[in-house]
Order: sequence, then C-alpha cells, then structure tokens
Amino acid sequence: GQQVMQIPQYQHVQEGEDFTTYCNSSTTLSNIQWYKQRPGGHPVFLIQLVKSGEVKKQKRLTFQFGEAKKNSSLHITATQTTDVGTYFCAGKGGSEKLVFGKGTKLTVNP
Amino acid sequence: DSGVTQTPKHLITATGQRVTLRCSPRSGDLSVYWYQQSLDQGLQFLIQYYNGEERAKGNILERFSAQQFPDLHSELNLSSLELGDSALYFCASSVGSGLRSPLHFGNGTRLTVT
Repeated sequence: GQQVMQIPQYQHVQEGEDFTTYCNSSTTLSNIQWYKQRPGGHPVFLIQLVKSGEVKKQKRLTFQFGEAKKNSSLHITATQTTDVGTYFCAGKGGSEKLVFGKGTKLTVNP
Repeated sequence: DSGVTQTPKHLITATGQRVTLRCSPRSGDLSVYWYQQSLDQGLQFLIQYYNGEERAKGNILERFSAQQFPDLHSELNLSSLELGDSALYFCASSVGSGLRSPLHFGNGTRLTVT
C-alpha cells in the first residue's frame, strides 16, 4: 500500500538556525498537506500543495512539491522557539486515504 | 479552537472492556476521520465517513467499529481492549470527501488500558 516516509525523525537546532524536513512517497501523490502538532496539542493544518514543482511560502516557512509529485519538503528559516513541535506531511495517492508520515520532531534551543 | 469536539478527553479502562469515543465535526463539515496516534508513531488512519456513509477504511482492527449519525457526529467503538490499544485517538473533519480540503482535528481522546 501507499507509504509516506519522513526524515529526519528528530531534529534539534539552535535558535536562529535553519531546519528542513523531507517527505517521500512510494506512489505519485495528487496532493500533499503539511500539519504542525505542538507538544500536547493536536495537528493543525499548515498548507496544501497540488501542482508539480509548486513552491509556497508562509513567512519563514517554505514548502515545495517535487516535479514528480512523489516528494515534498518544508524549510524553516531562522528557527524560533515557537517553531517547536512535530511536523507531519500527508499525501493522497491512488487510494481514498490521506496517509500521514511519522513526522519530524523539532526542538529549538534558545 | 478547531471547532471539532471530542469526548471524553481522557479514558482509563481495563483490558477486555469496551469504550465509545465521540466526535462532533465542525459546523458544515460532512467528512469525519478517525486517527490513532501511539507514542513515537505517526497518525494511523482508521476510517473515514462522509455524510453518514463509510468512505475509506485504513488499518482498523475488527475489534473496532465506527459510525456517523444523521446529525453528522461520529462514534468510535473499541471492544475487547488490549494494552496495545492505549493511544491518543483523534477525530478530524473536513468539508469535502475527496481529501483536497484541510483536515481539522479535535483535541483527541487519550485512552489508557490497564
């Protein structure tokens, strides 16, 4: 079945450093969504990418969808302590299921 | 506040028991999804309902069942509980059925099986 892999599983950075998490799918995706889950909280939708090669920005966050629509990345510039949390990608392939990656847990040292 | 309401917030029960988790979607949302999140695990998709009908099924155990009622609220029933069923169970809702609209998650129900 469809699998979505995320790397790294954990990332610890100093405040001000950049951070990137990568998402890879075993199948071509029709769309990919990104969510953020703060410690003790629930996942919150960040963005959706649909087009091949699409790039979207939200302030310090940059999201990319690969040309083949099988991978995606989230890059945070100059991390802040408020960026702490687990970032999940979720993709829909051929099946009627939104499959989540296991997430990348980001910790930021002030 | 996502607008999705889940009850109860916490549930502690013994092995072999049966529990029911409840979810009220955001106003206007027709789809309800159930996800299981265990420690250091991602979000495991269990099942999706759209406007009262089962839409998609994930790795849901036979001991688990769900339904969506005419008022669109949903219940997840977990029976013959095992220690390994201890997890955070999230309900999410969305406007459409085709997974192109964002999912809005509730605060979750933390189930502890002792």
